[in-house]
Amino acid sequence: SQQGEEDPQALSIQEGENATMNCSYKTSINNLQWYRQNSGRGLVHLILIRSNEREKHSGRLRVTLDTSKKSSSLLITASRAADTASYFCATDADFGNEKLTFGTGTRLTIIP
Amino acid sequence: DGGITQSPKYLFRKEGQNVTLSCEQNLNHDAMYWYRQDPGQGLRLIYYSQIVNDFQKGDIAEGYSVSREKKESFPLTVTSAQKNPTAFYLCASSIDLGYKNEQYFGPGTRLTVT
Repeated sequence: SQQGEEDPQALSIQEGENATMNCSYKTSINNLQWYRQNSGRGLVHLILIRSNEREKHSGRLRVTLDTSKKSSSLLITASRAADTASYFCATDADFGNEKLTFGTGTRLTIIP
Repeated sequence: DGGITQSPKYLFRKEGQNVTLSCEQNLNHDAMYWYRQDPGQGLRLIYYSQIVNDFQKGDIAEGYSVSREKKESFPLTVTSAQKNPTAFYLCASSIDLGYKNEQYFGPGTRLTVT
C-alpha cells in the first residue's frame, strides 16, 4: 500500500515563482526524504528530514515536517526551468521498517 | 567517477522470454535495490539486498528473480511468469540498509514486452 501521497498531482507555475508540494503519510515515521526525477531518468535525492525536526533548508529548497498531521511540504523558491521534474516523498512504511516507500509524485512544470 | 550504471537503457523482448537487467555500482555500497515504476506511478520495491549472497523480497517480487554474487552487481531477471513486465526498472544503492540512508539511483531500463 502507498505510504506517501503527494499533492497536487501536477503543478504548473511561471519561472521565478515559488512551488509548494505536499506529502501526507499514514503511519509513524523515523524520517522523510524528498527525491526529484527528470523525465525518463533515475531519482536524485534532495533532502532528508528526521521525525524530530520541523524544518530543513538546502539551497532553494525548504522542507517542513508536521508529525502531528502526518504531512510534509517541499518548497522550491525562485523556480527555474531546470526544476521541471517529478518530485517524490519517501518514508519508512512502518516504524522501524528498514525499507523506503515512495509516494506517487507531483509533476512540476516551470513555464519560462 | 562513482555511480550506478544500468544497461541497456531500452530493452525489447517477446512475451514468454526471460530477460536480465544489469545493475552495477562502484560506490562501495552494501545495500542494493530494484524498483519498478509504471506511468504516473510511484516506485514499487521488487527485491533488495543487504550484503553479498543475501537478498529479500520486496512488495512485488512475483515473477522476478535476483542474485548478489558480487558487492558491485545486482542483476534482475524478469521471468515469463511476470504477467505485466512492461515498465521502467530502477536500480538503487545505499551505504547500508535502512530508511535513514539516502538512495542513489541508476538511470533506469525501460523494458517493453510484446
